[in-house]
Amino acid sequence: EAGVTQFPSHSVIEKGQTVTLRCDPISGHDNLYWYRRVMGKEIKFLLHFVKESKQDESGMPNNRFLAERTGGTYSTLKVQPAELEDSGVYFCASSQVPWGLPYEQYFGPGTRLTVT
Amino acid sequence: QKEVEQNSGPLSVPEGAIASLNCTYSDRGSQSFFWYRQYSGKSPELIMSIYSNGDKEDGRFTAQLNKASQYVSLLIRDSQPSDSATYLCAVNIERAHNAGNMLTFGGGTRLMVKP
Repeated sequence: EAGVTQFPSHSVIEKGQTVTLRCDPISGHDNLYWYRRVMGKEIKFLLHFVKESKQDESGMPNNRFLAERTGGTYSTLKVQPAELEDSGVYFCASSQVPWGLPYEQYFGPGTRLTVT
Repeated sequence: QKEVEQNSGPLSVPEGAIASLNCTYSDRGSQSFFWYRQYSGKSPELIMSIYSNGDKEDGRFTAQLNKASQYVSLLIRDSQPSDSATYLCAVNIERAHNAGNMLTFGGGTRLMVKP
């Protein structure tokens, strides 16, 4: 069974540009999560999809970040326009157990974003 | 106070010894607890989950949970050099009824197992 995949693995962009990150969850996992790790800090939650619906987006830092999950399969996270403080590693995770029950989240390899 | 706290380390143990990693959390509403292992530049890999007070064993790993004292620990028996990594403690805090299952992470403890 394939794990969570993310694309690209690395992205270097200039301040003010747009970047779109993609996540493909484990097949059959309805729950998809985005997290971010900024240099020297803990991994922080960004948002949670259940199928195509946003269940919780309380961690999204501001309206420059837009996440979508059309069709309830893969998800994209767009940053527009990118700022220097957006640099970090963006992780995607997925889980199978429906919301409300104990669950386990499986992480992808992450996308390292560098904004210069 | 951070919601989930870990000693950043490094924790250095000799090969074959028991490595003990600790994590404390602040929210008594926490429901589920997880240990992830992360090698440098790689994704966090789930190695243990625990939901009830007490011990849970899986191979060389034992997770221990004490909700009254608000700590969770991970013991690694017969430590191997390949266990050298950063170990992340993650907690699921039950929030409002319609909230999701976000994880709150500690900063991680770097473990070094020396041959």
